[in-house]
Amino acid sequence: DAGITQSPRHKVTETGTPVTLRCHQTENHRYMYWYRQDPGHGLRLIHYSYGVKDTDKGEVSDGYSVSRSKTEDFLLTLESATSSQTSVYFCAISEGTSSEQYFGPGTRLTVT
Amino acid sequence: GNSVTQMEGPVTLSEEAFLTINCTYTATGYPSLFWYVQYPGEGLQLLLKATKADDKGSNKGFEATYRKETTSFHLEKGSVQVSDSAVYFCASLKAAGNKLTFGGGTRVLVKP
Repeated sequence: DAGITQSPRHKVTETGTPVTLRCHQTENHRYMYWYRQDPGHGLRLIHYSYGVKDTDKGEVSDGYSVSRSKTEDFLLTLESATSSQTSVYFCAISEGTSSEQYFGPGTRLTVT
Repeated sequence: GNSVTQMEGPVTLSEEAFLTINCTYTATGYPSLFWYVQYPGEGLQLLLKATKADDKGSNKGFEATYRKETTSFHLEKGSVQVSDSAVYFCASLKAAGNKLTFGGGTRVLVKP
């Protein structure tokens, strides 16, 4: 299994509070991704990173920001959580473009 | 843009039955195609892949063939087991790209 961990694994928070999710890899892969998984939508890309301090938006980036200060860590921040952001969040990594992606175990976030 | 369509579930089968999950894609150029599997409470695992037309990916008794003429990548297994109960996702990755596009997922339930 690829060395990917996510923390926390579960979180319940209130509307309007900031939340940060962490993804940590031990594979030294260049690319890292954040997805959300919702019923009927499969996985949708939020943001991705192609190197330290290099990030770009995915298809559902509104309300989310990311940072990558080290190769191994990719942080996803919800500045002011809303109920529509209740979801399961997955981090993924890949060696390069056109490479398969490997997924972390996920974080279940509930915004009340 | 790219899109992936897969049959909706749930699909309920008896053990040793034949499984087919249909997947079609739209994309410019020739994307790489993947099947991922998600067991209950876990992240996604790469099941198999194919990178060019007529390639056949296979793993754990599952197979899928990249059909350019029908833009399809159907997943098949000849004799399913209870342990194959999971959600299966078809995905495409455009050439020279690094953004996976997922189908909505198909839940498969295999009964003893």
